[in-house]
Amino acid sequence: DAKTTQPPSMDCAEGRAANLPCNHSTISGNEYVYWYRQIHSQGPQYIIHGLKNNETNEMASLIITEDRKSSTLILPHATLRDTAVYYCIVRSQSNTGNQFYFGTGTSLTVIP
Amino acid sequence: GAVVSQHPSRVICKSGTSVKIECRSLDFQATTMFWYRQFPKKSLMLMATSNEGSKATYEQGVEKDKFLINHASLTLSTLTVTSAHPEDSSFYICSARDPGQLAYNEQFFGPGTRLTVL
Repeated sequence: DAKTTQPPSMDCAEGRAANLPCNHSTISGNEYVYWYRQIHSQGPQYIIHGLKNNETNEMASLIITEDRKSSTLILPHATLRDTAVYYCIVRSQSNTGNQFYFGTGTSLTVIP
Repeated sequence: GAVVSQHPSRVICKSGTSVKIECRSLDFQATTMFWYRQFPKKSLMLMATSNEGSKATYEQGVEKDKFLINHASLTLSTLTVTSAHPEDSSFYICSARDPGQLAYNEQFFGPGTRLTVL
C-alpha cells in the first residue's frame, strides 16, 4: 500500500516555482523518498530521490523535513512541459525487490 | 539513464484470446522487473515482481493464472494476459531495476502498452 498522501491537483504559472507537497508520516528510518512524474499515456519518469538531506539536480530540488514525515518537490521555473502527474513514493524495503507503491499523485497544470 | 522498452505499444484483441507483452532492458541487465497496470485517470497499481530465474511474486488480489509472468533472461520479462476480457483493458507498464545504479535511481520505466479487449 502507498504510504504517501498528496493534494490531487495544483496549478502553477509558467516561469514560477512549483512546490509540490507530500506527506509520509509513517516512513521508516531506512526508506527513501522518490519522486516520479507521468505525462499522459507515457511511462513514469524519474525526477529525484532522497533519504534525509535535501537534494538538488538539474530537474528539481527535494526538501525533506527534519522528522522526515513530509517532503516538498520544487520545480524552480515551471514550463508548460512540466504539466504532468507527480508521484511521491516511499520505497518499500523487502527481500523480493524494493517495490514502489504509487499513491494518487498530484496533477500539476502549468498555466501560460 | 538506462532504457526500458515494451512491445507492443498498443494491442487490440478479441475477448478470449491471450496477449503477450514484452519488457526489455536495453543497456543493462535487470535481475528484477516489475509489472503495473493503470486504468484511465488512476494511479499505477503494482501487479507483480519478476525475478530472473524464479517465479514471480504477485500482489494480493492479482490472479497468477490470469497474468502469467516469465523472466527467462536478464534483459527480458514477459506478461501474458490469458483469456482476455474487456475488463482487462488497461495500460500495462513495466519497470526494471539496474543493480549497478542502486545509489541513483533503481527503477526505470518502460513506455507502457495499451491493451484493448473487444
